[in-house]
Amino acid sequence: GDSVTQMEGPVTLSEEAFLTINCTYTATGYPSLFWYVQYPGEGLQLLLKATKADDKGSNKGFEATYRKETTSFHLEKGSVQVSDSAVYFCALSDLSHRSGGSNYKLTFGKGTLLTVNP
Amino acid sequence: DGGITQSPKYLFRKEGQNVTLSCEQNLNHDAMYWYRQDPGQGLRLIYYSQIVNDFQKGDIAEGYSVSREKKESFPLTVTSAQKNPTAFYLCASTLDRSSYNEQFFGPGTRLTVL
Repeated sequence: GDSVTQMEGPVTLSEEAFLTINCTYTATGYPSLFWYVQYPGEGLQLLLKATKADDKGSNKGFEATYRKETTSFHLEKGSVQVSDSAVYFCALSDLSHRSGGSNYKLTFGKGTLLTVNP
Repeated sequence: DGGITQSPKYLFRKEGQNVTLSCEQNLNHDAMYWYRQDPGQGLRLIYYSQIVNDFQKGDIAEGYSVSREKKESFPLTVTSAQKNPTAFYLCASTLDRSSYNEQFFGPGTRLTVL
């Protein structure tokens, strides 16, 4: 089945440091890939997405490139801020066949806690 | 503003009680989902519904029930059969079944069993 593996945290950085959170995936089809962010006590918000190989998603200074050859979607940011402190989830959306029909199911990684210190 | 609302934000339940978590969306989305989040485990799918009056079990449906009588609403009942219900519950919706459409999440309900 589909799976997402992301680097385990917690990750602690100083403000203005470079961030990389690794994410690799296994999927049977041609998935879309997402990064979601969760601030303390809140739901998830979409950070960026990519729908096909070599696509780059970007938002708020964060970037990730869909690499089919390495089945990866690593999240990067050149200069983190204290306000970036949150849990980051990598996810894929792939077609799932079930007894009741088919739908695109989101499969999540376990999340990476990022703490940015001033 | 369009969005997803969940209530209550915090819920306490005694063992043996059923409780119902509310999820409402005004985004005119067809599909709705319930997830459970436990520390260090990511999100796991409980139930989903692609259309009114239809819903399907997710990966961890045992001990839960849902209904979808209206497009806007997808309540989740945590029954006494759920042996470890303490968790953070997230509701989500998406426009349709296309993989290109991201899921939008509500703010969550934290359920604690006393």
